[in-house]
Amino acid sequence: DAKTTQPNSMESNEEEPVHLPCNHSTISGTDYIHWYRQLPSQGPEYVIHGLTSNVNNRMASLAIAEDRKSSTLILHRATLRDAAVYYCILRGAQKLVFGQGTRLTINP
Amino acid sequence: DTGVSQDPRHKITKRGQNVTFRCDPISEHNRLYWYRQTLGQGPEFLTYFQNEAQLEKSRLLSDRFSAERPKGSFSTLEIQRTEQGDSAMYLCASSLERLAIQETQYFGPGTRLLVL
Repeated sequence: DAKTTQPNSMESNEEEPVHLPCNHSTISGTDYIHWYRQLPSQGPEYVIHGLTSNVNNRMASLAIAEDRKSSTLILHRATLRDAAVYYCILRGAQKLVFGQGTRLTINP
Repeated sequence: DTGVSQDPRHKITKRGQNVTFRCDPISEHNRLYWYRQTLGQGPEFLTYFQNEAQLEKSRLLSDRFSAERPKGSFSTLEIQRTEQGDSAMYLCASSLERLAIQETQYFGPGTRLLVL
């Protein structure tokens, strides 16, 4: 299974943008890049996914490097409710292969 | 609430006992997944079903573990002769598979198992 590398933790302030990086140098041509997040005491929830082009939805934006070896999840204006563990996942098949993720702390 | 539900939410058992967990997916979702999550780690895939067929099992799923989805709706995960190492959060997810589209998996709140 393809592997991703994320910082263990990041910290940001409320109402500021947050850029969460992910490295995936062994990505294959058919792997999609998915992001899920897990709030305290909850199951993971889908955030966004993409293949080659940058993607936007109501929750976040996903910026994918031209060589696809890295990507960045962008939260445009963080709130306290965005404090969670964020997982970057390469998905080539049905199952999700989670790493350890980045624990995001939001300061009021 | 029309999300994925899991029962029980918490289970404490003694080593050697059998336990069974239930997952009710979102209605009409044809795929159902089981994951396990230990403290401080990301979830690990255990197995998944498409309708009632179990299509993939992880090597983590030892012979003490069995999962079923008899009518293609709810699923059960049974652990026989529990060991302390089985203590974890067991997560269920469901999705609606569409050909060649990366479908979203919707997770339940999990069942937290503690084996004493």
